[in-house]
Amino acid sequence: KQEVTQIPAALSVPEGENLVLNCSFTDSAIYNLQWFRQDPGKGLTSLLLIQSSQREQTSGRLNASLDKSSGRSTLYIAASQPGDSATYLCAVPYGGSQGNLIFGKGTKLSVKP
Amino acid sequence: DTAVSQTPKYLVTQMGNDKSIKCEQNLGHDTMYWYKQDSKKFLKIMFSYNNKELIINETVPNRFSPKSPDKAHLNLHINSLELGDSAVYFCASSSRLAGGPKDQTDTQYFGPGTRLTVL
Repeated sequence: KQEVTQIPAALSVPEGENLVLNCSFTDSAIYNLQWFRQDPGKGLTSLLLIQSSQREQTSGRLNASLDKSSGRSTLYIAASQPGDSATYLCAVPYGGSQGNLIFGKGTKLSVKP
Repeated sequence: DTAVSQTPKYLVTQMGNDKSIKCEQNLGHDTMYWYKQDSKKFLKIMFSYNNKELIINETVPNRFSPKSPDKAHLNLHINSLELGDSAVYFCASSSRLAGGPKDQTDTQYFGPGTRLTVL
């Protein structure tokens, strides 16, 4: 059974810092891994999707890496800004159904000005 | 130009009532989903629909029934509402169900959510 864990559960940093969010999964047989952002009271916004054949993906100040063999992914945020404050979730496809996602419980990020 | 939209945004109702939440996507996607986010913010898949056919039905009570009148819509009907049904329900869509090491088409796009409160 696939389980997704995110550490830390919450993180508070001053503006401008670089930071790393961690995601681990128990079953390494995944097709891809997706990082989302959720703002309070809002839906999820897809940030990055890494296919199993890839080791990393970049979008602006975000860089996500994937190490399938060790069951880990990291989301690196460079030069953090107050607008980055949100909950970040990682998710992997579920078992034989590649569409259904299993989510971690998220890391709540607060960037202080 | 909202990609995935849900109505209503808030829904407050009494125990025992029957209610529906609507979802529409204008992305031309083949697959749609319903997720439930509980009070602890844990997000869990409920249903998947691919080309108007239910293909995965997670172990949710049969009081919940997804209905898809066409590829762009996936509505969630809930009968005999219970207190434990209170949560935020998210609709999502993706280009296809089956994944594969090809491109970004597996990305899921989420609606803004519907906060259901059962009194």
